Amino acid sequence: AQSVTQPDIHITVSEGASLELRCNYSYGATPYLFWYVQSPGQGLQLLLKYFSGDTLVQGIKGFEAEFKRSQSSFNLRKPSVHWSDAAEYFCAVGGHFGNEKLTFGTGTRLTIIP
Amino acid sequence: KAGVTQTPRYLIKTRGQQVTLSCSPISGHRSVSWYQQTPGQGLQFLFEYFSETQRNKGNFPGRFSGRQFSNSRSEMNVSTLELGDSALYLCASSSNAGAEEKLFFGSGTQLSVL
Repeated sequence: AQSVTQPDIHITVSEGASLELRCNYSYGATPYLFWYVQSPGQGLQLLLKYFSGDTLVQGIKGFEAEFKRSQSSFNLRKPSVHWSDAAEYFCAVGGHFGNEKLTFGTGTRLTIIP
Repeated sequence: KAGVTQTPRYLIKTRGQQVTLSCSPISGHRSVSWYQQTPGQGLQFLFEYFSETQRNKGNFPGRFSGRQFSNSRSEMNVSTLELGDSALYLCASSSNAGAEEKLFFGSGTQLSVL
């Protein structure tokens, strides 16, 4: 069965500092991988996705993620965080065809300090 | 273009009752998925409907059911409510399944079971 692990429950970074959120997955074939962000009381917004090709993918809001098959990882990065990036971030792996039946990690809550 | 609309936004029920939640997808989208979000279990896939047919199903008891209408609007029903059913229920729509298709999430229905 597929699974996603986000080892960091909560991360605090200073505004302007760089950010890396970790994600490890377990999936039998080439995975479809996603990062979503959720602000309090809101639904999920897609930041970026990987399903083939270039292993470094660019997303919205200045985020990027790198797929590393050898490490079963799909870490999310941003070179300089803004206070508005404070939210909860979820990594997910998709089903056989892509975005159906997503399996989510437990999420990482990001706090930004001035 | 209007986003995914979920109604009601908040709901309070008592144990043993049943509840129906509604989701209106983005115009033109034919796939609707439902997810349950709780602090303990995180985000879990409930089911997905496409053109009025259930195409995928998660590991939830039969008390959880859904349907999709010809206009792609979807409802989910939970019968014999239990305290553990308290959760944020999220609906997502897309044109179809597949990695190329983007999932759009609604803001959810917060269900509290007393």
